[in-house]
Amino acid sequence: EIVLTQSPDFQSVTPKEKVTITCRASQSIGNNLHWYQQKPDQSPKIIIKFASQSFSGVPSRFSGSGSGTDFTLTINSLEVEDAATYYCHQSTSFPYTFGQGTKLEIK
Amino acid sequence: EVHLVESGGGLVKPGGSLRLSCAASGFTFYSYNMNWVRQAPGKGLEWVSSISGSSSYIYYADSLKGRFTISRDNAKNSLYLQMNSLRAEDTALYYCVRLAELNRGWFDPWGQGTLVTVSS
Repeated sequence: EIVLTQSPDFQSVTPKEKVTITCRASQSIGNNLHWYQQKPDQSPKIIIKFASQSFSGVPSRFSGSGSGTDFTLTINSLEVEDAATYYCHQSTSFPYTFGQGTKLEIK
Repeated sequence: EVHLVESGGGLVKPGGSLRLSCAASGFTFYSYNMNWVRQAPGKGLEWVSSISGSSSYIYYADSLKGRFTISRDNAKNSLYLQMNSLRAEDTALYYCVRLAELNRGWFDPWGQGTLVTVSS
């Protein structure tokens, strides 16, 4: 099983701050790593696919990088609406796995 | 617009059974691998099961130990999850999700989920 470990588990941040969330895979997964945002009482929403590819409609302040085992989600100039839990996910091999989540709290 | 709507959740006693359904629309259902993902209250996301477009390939999380069965009916654009021998730890919101590309990629879209509560 490929284990995804996110860091940190929780972060309290101020608006306009830059946030970096990391996801480390227990073995190489190429770029088959995807990021989701889940706001309170909502379903998860994809924000970054294949480590660094963004989606139409997702604010440009969200970006991703990495390959192999180490990945990063960056949020530039955080906004209040970015308060959410963020998850990484791999679909390279079964069982598909998720990171444990990183909860962002806005101060 | 691509849409997934789950149904069938509810309150069930330990040891009981439940069948979840997912109605898909807005895309060629048979062309996509479909999955169930669950989220226990206040916890993270856990992949449950996957089924290929033709139902030829099926996978489950090891933790399920043969209690769950995934299936699909491409003529009805529907996905199912038969859950037997339910336990308290199966209490969760169950999401039906589409794998965006063949055999790899991201989950999108996500439905609103259907809540399964296992309690006496």
